[in-house]
Amino acid sequence: AQKVTQAQTEISVVEKEDVTLDCVYETRDTTYYLFWYKQPPSGELVFLIRRNSFDEQNEISGRYSWNFQKSTSSFNFTITASQVVDSAVYFCALSELRYGQNFVFGPGTRLSVLP
Amino acid sequence: DAGVIQSPRHEVTEMGQEVTLRCKPISGHDYLFWYRQTMMRGLELLIYFNNNVPIDDSGMPEDRFSAKMPNASFSTLKIQPSEPRDSAVYFCASSLSQGATEKLFFGSGTQLSVL
Repeated sequence: AQKVTQAQTEISVVEKEDVTLDCVYETRDTTYYLFWYKQPPSGELVFLIRRNSFDEQNEISGRYSWNFQKSTSSFNFTITASQVVDSAVYFCALSELRYGQNFVFGPGTRLSVLP
Repeated sequence: DAGVIQSPRHEVTEMGQEVTLRCKPISGHDYLFWYRQTMMRGLELLIYFNNNVPIDDSGMPEDRFSAKMPNASFSTLKIQPSEPRDSAVYFCASSLSQGATEKLFFGSGTQLSVL
């Protein structure tokens, strides 16, 4: 069965520190998609990135970067030079193509960036 | 372009009352999803529609829950009768074709409190 683990429940950092949010997934499918979503205090979930299982290239978008490693079933998210506005709950999610239209979300990591 | 619109933002009701949550997906999106978010269970998929047809309702907790999508621009999630354990944030999300392999666009959610 699909499963997404985000072992870090809460993380606190001081502004300008780098922080990595961990995501480990389980799947039996060979074709799957991984996502990260951000849920700021306003409550709405905001899409950050999607990766398919055949694309292991790491990605960088501004201060955000993602490290996808199939060998360890991990899809970690790093924020460089964190800012107070990065404070949010971050969810990792997995979607298996074979099993229909079902995202499985991880439990989320609450990130607090202190000024 | 307007995003996914949910109403109401907040709903407070008494146990036993009927509750109706509303959602307007992004125009042109073929898939619509209803999620529930609680501290204990995180984000759970309740039901999803493809082209207004319910495809998978296995996540609907019990018969007290029902969802409809009478047309491409409107969906409702109804709870009758409501119970305190239904208190949660209910999210509606929509996506283009390919459903869960595409990114989901979430509404702002409805915070439901059943007293």
